[in-house]
Amino acid sequence: GAVVSQHPSRVICKSGTSVKIECRSLDFQATTMFWYRQFPKQSLMLMATSNEGSKATYEQGVEKDKFLINHASLTLSTLTVTSAHPEDSSFYICSAREGMANEKLFFGSGTQLSVL
Amino acid sequence: KQEVTQIPAALSVPEGENLVLNCSFTDSAIYNLQWFRQDPGKGLTSLLLIQSSQREQTSGRLNASLDKSSGRSTLYIAASQPGDSATYLCAVQDDYKLSFGAGTTVTVRA
Repeated sequence: GAVVSQHPSRVICKSGTSVKIECRSLDFQATTMFWYRQFPKQSLMLMATSNEGSKATYEQGVEKDKFLINHASLTLSTLTVTSAHPEDSSFYICSAREGMANEKLFFGSGTQLSVL
Repeated sequence: KQEVTQIPAALSVPEGENLVLNCSFTDSAIYNLQWFRQDPGKGLTSLLLIQSSQREQTSGRLNASLDKSSGRSTLYIAASQPGDSATYLCAVQDDYKLSFGAGTTVTVRA
């Protein structure tokens, strides 16, 4: 099956620094990629949707200047958490879809971000 | 706005018992429904995908049913094993995005 590679799997950083998380589709072209955030014992919450070559669409309540998303190619999307603070500590997961809206999504393995 | 609810939130069973996990959603206009498995601190593993036109899907010991009109899906895991211990998430896809339930955390006791 299709593979989505996400890294790093874990990152610990100091407050105020920026962290970049990469999401790559390894064997298919991802027309659409999604970024999710998960707090402990809670469901995944969609943060934003990105289509290759266009600006990301952010969900209500998600700060676009805080969470920068770039989908520059059909196989790579990046999420940059700018000026990270402890409240940004969370589990971030990306997913990718090759084609139509009803097709299966494939998920990365997630990134655990801890901001000290 | 789509709301997805999973009951129970946690479940503990002895090995060999069958598991029944429930998922309900508020808006029946969905493309598909997926069941995922999540291990602690890890990403998601897709277990079963049911298209909106389908009633059920089966894979090995797993069977998932979908009743779109009533907004319900059930995941059955037969003859549970300790390795089945994980959190199981259901998610419905409408338009272009997935809406997730909070999950059912399953513990299978040896």
